Amino acid sequence: QSALTQPASVSGSPGQSITISCTGTSNDVGRYDHVSWYQQHPGKAPKLLIYAGSERPSGVSVRFSGSKSGNTASLTISGLQAEDEADYHCSAYAGDRLVIFGGGTKLTVL
Amino acid sequence: QITLRESGPTVVKPTQTLTLTCTFSGFSLSSGGESVGWIRQPPGKALEWLALIYGDDDKRYSPSLKSRLTITKDTSKDQVVFTMTNMDPVDTGTYFCAHKRGWDFDFWGQGTLVTVSS
Repeated sequence: QSALTQPASVSGSPGQSITISCTGTSNDVGRYDHVSWYQQHPGKAPKLLIYAGSERPSGVSVRFSGSKSGNTASLTISGLQAEDEADYHCSAYAGDRLVIFGGGTKLTVL
Repeated sequence: QITLRESGPTVVKPTQTLTLTCTFSGFSLSSGGESVGWIRQPPGKALEWLALIYGDDDKRYSPSLKSRLTITKDTSKDQVVFTMTNMDPVDTGTYFCAHKRGWDFDFWGQGTLVTVSS
């Protein structure tokens, strides 16, 4: 059970859109529609941004959206804002009640 | 309002056993749909899922660390206890407990930094 693969870093300018990928295998991301995305600011606990691949919890901005194609899930942030600068982590259900996280992506707002 | 709080030692020596307690409120861990998990994060690195315990007392562990981990619950105290044996400096990091309903960790504790050093 290896960690999901995310780019180490991405960047974008205010107002732009960026996409963060999360690549797994046919045994996790590709098999189940249970991919979650978390936002983590420095020194803080992660915050759930997206669940079930594309659903937003109450209170999460519509600027955040999730999708999946094959073994790769994606998080898109539109209308980038300074406060979006944070680390983003994906996780997926890996069957048998097991969980797997990605390597995390640092987003820099230029 | 669901809240969770981790407690335990901030420093452990190599080879010692780490014991952390997660004290929660706002839900009961006596029904199968609820679960509490432990996730850790070495400084500057990624999150790593460690263990889960469900309301029906089913337990799951990270396959790579399974031999070192134990998770239990005390429903009467609304607590989950996590132990990791044979601690090593590479186990240094922030340990989080989190509530899981369904497939996602929707509420997290603030985390507790554990340093492994002699």
